[in-house]
Amino acid sequence: EIALTQSPGTLSLSPGDRATLSCRASQSVSSNYLAWYQHKPGQAPRLLIYGASKRATGIPDRFSGSGSGTDFTLTFSSLEPEDFAVYFCQQYGSSPWTFGQGTKVEIK
Amino acid sequence: EVQLLESGGGLVKPGGSLRLSCAASGFTFNYYAMSWVRQAPGKGLEWVSSIDNRGITTYYADSVKGRFTISRDNSNNTLFLQMNSLRAEDTALYYCAKDWRFFDYWGQGALVTVSS
Repeated sequence: EIALTQSPGTLSLSPGDRATLSCRASQSVSSNYLAWYQHKPGQAPRLLIYGASKRATGIPDRFSGSGSGTDFTLTFSSLEPEDFAVYFCQQYGSSPWTFGQGTKVEIK
Repeated sequence: EVQLLESGGGLVKPGGSLRLSCAASGFTFNYYAMSWVRQAPGKGLEWVSSIDNRGITTYYADSVKGRFTISRDNSNNTLFLQMNSLRAEDTALYYCAKDWRFFDYWGQGALVTVSS
């Protein structure tokens, strides 16, 4: 089973800041099958990125994903107020699919 | 607009059973695989089970294999999760999610609490 470790656990930032979240896999993720989600309390999680770098339908271009193998990154070019949430990664290259523990992006 | 609405959660004693349902709308349900993902209190997400679009092929996490059964009713656009022999560690918010590898839509979840 592939373990995903996200860092940092919490990121304190201001609107307009650039942010970089990391997701590291315990072994190589096949075909870069890595997704990122946004989750706000009481809401359904929202798919942001799949295939490591492909934006999901309707996701603004301030979100971008990159990486390959064992190291992946989610980048926000400029944080909007609605972006403060928990972000988690998921690999779907090797069964069972696994998730990272999440990074909370909070308002500084 | 895609909507997934879970129901059937609640409080159950260890060893008991519960059946979750997920009513889907806004997409052609019988075209897509569906999944269940859970989040225990204070823990990360855990994939639980998936089913193909026809309801023929199913997949389970080792932690629930033999105790949980996923199924679907394509005529009523509904996904199910039958949970038997429930344990305290099954306590979680259970999400219904569209597709089976990455999940492009999720419901808001149904809370299952296993406690005596």
